[in-house]
Amino acid sequence: GAGVSQSPSNKVTEKGKDVELRCDPISGHTALYWYRQRLGQGLEFLIYFQGNSAPDKSGLPSDRFSAERTGESVSTLTIQRTQQEDSAVYLCASSPGQVLHGYTFGSGTRLTVV
Amino acid sequence: AQSVTQLDSQVPVFEEAPVELRCNYSSSVSVYLFWYVQYPNQGLQLLLKYLSGSTLVESINGFEAEFNKSQTSFHLRKPSVHISDTAEYFCAVNYGGSQGNLIFGKGTKLSVKP
Repeated sequence: GAGVSQSPSNKVTEKGKDVELRCDPISGHTALYWYRQRLGQGLEFLIYFQGNSAPDKSGLPSDRFSAERTGESVSTLTIQRTQQEDSAVYLCASSPGQVLHGYTFGSGTRLTVV
Repeated sequence: AQSVTQLDSQVPVFEEAPVELRCNYSSSVSVYLFWYVQYPNQGLQLLLKYLSGSTLVESINGFEAEFNKSQTSFHLRKPSVHISDTAEYFCAVNYGGSQGNLIFGKGTKLSVKP
């Protein structure tokens, strides 16, 4: 696609429910990144994929968070048993294999846990 | 620990005034440096980057940043700002090579007033 697409754009969920966030990277981009941006905070790194493997999962905040990627395309970030502190904008970015090119970000999914 | 520091969370300036947004990073042998901009209600966009070569890099809309290895800084400057420059600016650093993720600062909100 022309850009990085994320869905849904907004999600309101009840505490304790599971949510799944989707990211469609730019076609041909081998690297994919997930970040979280809480209100008034900077970007917090969650996980990075090169192809469908995840060399760096160091940013996942707890075992309630998981992510997978199919080939060099769609990625899903799953949050189980959501908590109020999970409320944030979840950003996905992709790059053509090397961070030197810089990322292209999606518009994000705004998650609100009530 | 690897980090990026943006000392100013908010910078208010008048239109046509000069501005400098500060960014410092942890000392490292090899770094790649980026500035991203997030306009109101929009996603993050790459503004400029330093990979190697000339320490002064420029964007198409008049911003420039200078890599200063001795000061471990990558400050963003513009000699005369416009109302349309109102946005949040994020400094980001890749430590240790072309793979892997970017570490972002907490962001600086630039507010340009008439």
